[in-house]
Amino acid sequence: AQSVTQLDSQVPVFEEAPVELRCNYSSSVSVYLFWYVQYPNQGLQLLLKYLSGSTLVKGINGFEAEFNKSQTSFHLRKPSVHISDTAEYFCAVSPPFSGGYNKLIFGAGTRLAVHP
Amino acid sequence: ETGVTQTPRHLVMGMTNKKSLKCEQHLGHNAMYWYKQSAKKPLELMFVYSLEERVENNSVPSRFSPECPNSSHLFLHLHTLQPEDSALYLCASSQDALELSEQYFGPGTRLTVT
Repeated sequence: AQSVTQLDSQVPVFEEAPVELRCNYSSSVSVYLFWYVQYPNQGLQLLLKYLSGSTLVKGINGFEAEFNKSQTSFHLRKPSVHISDTAEYFCAVSPPFSGGYNKLIFGAGTRLAVHP
Repeated sequence: ETGVTQTPRHLVMGMTNKKSLKCEQHLGHNAMYWYKQSAKKPLELMFVYSLEERVENNSVPSRFSPECPNSSHLFLHLHTLQPEDSALYLCASSQDALELSEQYFGPGTRLTVT
């Protein structure tokens, strides 16, 4: 069975500073990896995804993530954050051939708080 | 309306009440999902519908009853809920229920059971 661990429940950071949100997963098979963002009072929005190929994935709003198979990690990074990046961030995995339908397994989330 | 909408946005109900949550997607998708988001816990997949047929019931108690009358609408009927059922209920849709099909989420219904 697959599982996702987001190592930090909250990450405070000052505006224009770099940030890294950590995600580790557990799986005996290859998986697809995703990062979603949830702004206050809104649903989840896909930031980026890793399916195959280059281990560095670029997403929307200046975010990127790096897939590290040996460390089973998929950390999310941004070199300079804005106040508007304040939100909850969710890492998720999707095992291929998971009964033929689209199954996402989520981590518990990391709340990013950007301060002026 | 665009994307995925959910009504109501907030709902307070007693344990003996019966209520329904509604989800509508305006994206022409064929698959719809219900998730439960509890505080400090990962999102939990509850149900998956593909072309109005339920393809997954993730061990959800029978006090939650989904209904998908067509590919644009999804309901979650609630009855005799427990306080621990208080959570944010999120609806999502995707082009189809196959893997790699991106899921689009609604804003959720915040449910409080008293």
